[in-house]
Amino acid sequence: KAGVTQTPRYLIKTRGQQVTLSCSPISGHRSVSWYQQTPGQGLQFLFEYFSETQRNKGNFPGRFSGRQFSNSRSEMNVSTLELGDSALYLCASSSSGPSGRLTDTQYFGPGTRLTVL
Amino acid sequence: AQSVSQHNHHVILSEAASLELGCNYSYGGTVNLFWYVQYPGQHLQLLLKYFSGDPLVKGIKGFEAEFIKSKFSFNLRKPSVQWSDTAEYFCAGVSGGYNKLIFGAGTRLAVHP
Repeated sequence: KAGVTQTPRYLIKTRGQQVTLSCSPISGHRSVSWYQQTPGQGLQFLFEYFSETQRNKGNFPGRFSGRQFSNSRSEMNVSTLELGDSALYLCASSSSGPSGRLTDTQYFGPGTRLTVL
Repeated sequence: AQSVSQHNHHVILSEAASLELGCNYSYGGTVNLFWYVQYPGQHLQLLLKYFSGDPLVKGIKGFEAEFIKSKFSFNLRKPSVQWSDTAEYFCAGVSGGYNKLIFGAGTRLAVHP
């Protein structure tokens, strides 16, 4: 089975711009979660999608948004970029079911490294 | 607030030394715990997980962890490390079954030949 894939792998943007990151989960996985990894804050949960619906959300401002498509692929968008948004953005997928409870492991992709200048 | 803490931020060992990395969690209810590893330049990989049952769980590459409910701990162990174990190790938890991971700050392990 192919793993979680993320595109692009690297991005450079300037302050004020917006960015869209893409994630393709493992085949058959319907849950997709997003995490931000920075040296200062570590790994932080952004949000989780299941069947095109956001089920869980972390403590990030509204500039961070996402969506999921019918084929379970997901995108996250960051608008009005700030220098502090520079980070590695990780996507993870799992075979979690519709109840919103973690029933299986989350598998991580390689991440998209975003640099904001 | 729910949290997962890792007390050792940097650990340096020689090959064949034993390893124990500490992890504590601070939430109640149903507890699901994980250890992930991030090798240099690679993505996060699952080492092992605890959902229920035997509190001593065995993972890949000779790693094991013990869930001690009374101590709110889930320490990672390996009896003899190798140079290839050089990586960053993350403890993570899911509280109450909500489908999001709370990560510890990570422990950078350097193993010298």
